[in-house]
Amino acid sequence: QLQLQESGSGLVKPSQTLSLTCAVSGGSISSGGYSWSWIRQPPGKGLEWIGYIYHSGSTYYNPSLKSRVTISVDRSKNQFSLKLSSVTAADTAVYYCASGPIYCTGGVCYSHGSFDYWGQGTLVTVSS
Amino acid sequence: QSALTQPASVSGSPGQSITISCTGTSSDVGGYNYVSWYQQHPGKAPKLMIYDVSNRPSGVSNRFSGSKSGNTASLTISGLQAEDEADYYCSSYTSSSTGVVFGGGTKLTVL
Repeated sequence: QLQLQESGSGLVKPSQTLSLTCAVSGGSISSGGYSWSWIRQPPGKGLEWIGYIYHSGSTYYNPSLKSRVTISVDRSKNQFSLKLSSVTAADTAVYYCASGPIYCTGGVCYSHGSFDYWGQGTLVTVSS
Repeated sequence: QSALTQPASVSGSPGQSITISCTGTSSDVGGYNYVSWYQQHPGKAPKLMIYDVSNRPSGVSNRFSGSKSGNTASLTISGLQAEDEADYYCSSYTSSSTGVVFGGGTKLTVL
């Protein structure tokens, strides 16, 4: 049973970089078959997929955020991270890390959009 | 990629059945059997209720079922209970970004 726990700064100034980490327990982030994802939810609004990384290190990002997002894995610490640059107030949200199965065919892997493990979420506020 | 379209709200009385729709395009809902549904109670993380259109994860009540026709997927909850009152989100794989797209969410009120 995987457990995910987000950590990072809860307050970021406009134009700076948001950095969050998701610690994984109950399983190895290096084992295949799972995506390691970030999803956010602005206050009172719906869910927005940010992106994910999987065991090969390949990443997929939401096109609307792609120019500002980096997701990476630290296998030694069994955790993965999110960096979002040039933040504005519109980036204020609860940020969730999540994991779910990926499916591989012809050497290409992708998520079906099902995430069965979630962190509890962390609120990040962008304000000066 | 555009968000999938869900009704803002639905309601029903205890014991009744309700259906929530999720409309996309041939690049997401209509093109693949990769639709998931999530339940979210206030202040909590989403919980996976249905994956790959109609499959229930272990532990999810069989009162929850999913289906799809063309570009529209549906979540049906039968025998409504007070604890079903929550926000519900659909998601789908999208070939436009080889990523994931969510619906805008539907608030379910149990009267």
